[in-house]
Amino acid sequence: EVQLLESGGGVVQPGGSLRLSCVASGFIFDSYAMNWVRQAPGKGLEWVSLISGSGAGTYYADSVKGRFTVYRDNFKNTLYLQMNSLRAEDTAIYYCAKDSREPNYPYNYYGVDVWGQGTTVTVSS
Amino acid sequence: DFLMTQSPLSLSVTPGEPASIACRSSQSLLHSQGYNSLDWYLQKPGQSPQLLIYLGSNRASGVPDRFSGSGSGTHFTLNISRVEAEDVGVYYCLQPLQTPLTFGGGTKVEIK
Repeated sequence: EVQLLESGGGVVQPGGSLRLSCVASGFIFDSYAMNWVRQAPGKGLEWVSLISGSGAGTYYADSVKGRFTVYRDNFKNTLYLQMNSLRAEDTAIYYCAKDSREPNYPYNYYGVDVWGQGTTVTVSS
Repeated sequence: DFLMTQSPLSLSVTPGEPASIACRSSQSLLHSQGYNSLDWYLQKPGQSPQLLIYLGSNRASGVPDRFSGSGSGTHFTLNISRVEAEDVGVYYCLQPLQTPLTFGGGTKVEIK
């Protein structure tokens, strides 16, 4: 079964740091780009970051650029999001999601087809 | 950046009746090879989002055929031919063409 399992969320003070993890199973992890998407309380979905299957390409929303770093360990089938200088507005559920854009978007693309259950980050003093 | 605008904000539908959600992009999502870069997702209450439609009109695996996507360029529509109780939730469109990927604001579907 294809599965994504996030962890690492918690309560942190403004200016603090957290590292989220997402363990993948049931598919060839390094063949797929991965996203982080977040959802603030009572709000809609916001894309945060995308990383290529190899890890060589990383992309960020302007709201997190310079503060968050996405990376992956393809040997451990694990995706990470290092979050520094956290702000109250970063409070959200963070989802990791499998992206089918590689190797040649859009010809083989079939959506962001697998999502984790989410991990909650609360930034508060 | 691509700005995605959905309408309506909410929808109350009688079971068995059709429903339609619109999504408009600030720029064309039509790829040079004829593909439209527009996905639809449903987030049921208390759950993670799930993929319904990709590349404008392709149903994802396991999605009932009462769901269909249409449109091209900047205007897209998600249609539900006969709404069922299990279809309640918030529907989002997404443009996956360019980073930053952008979602529409969401349309909440409720059952009358």
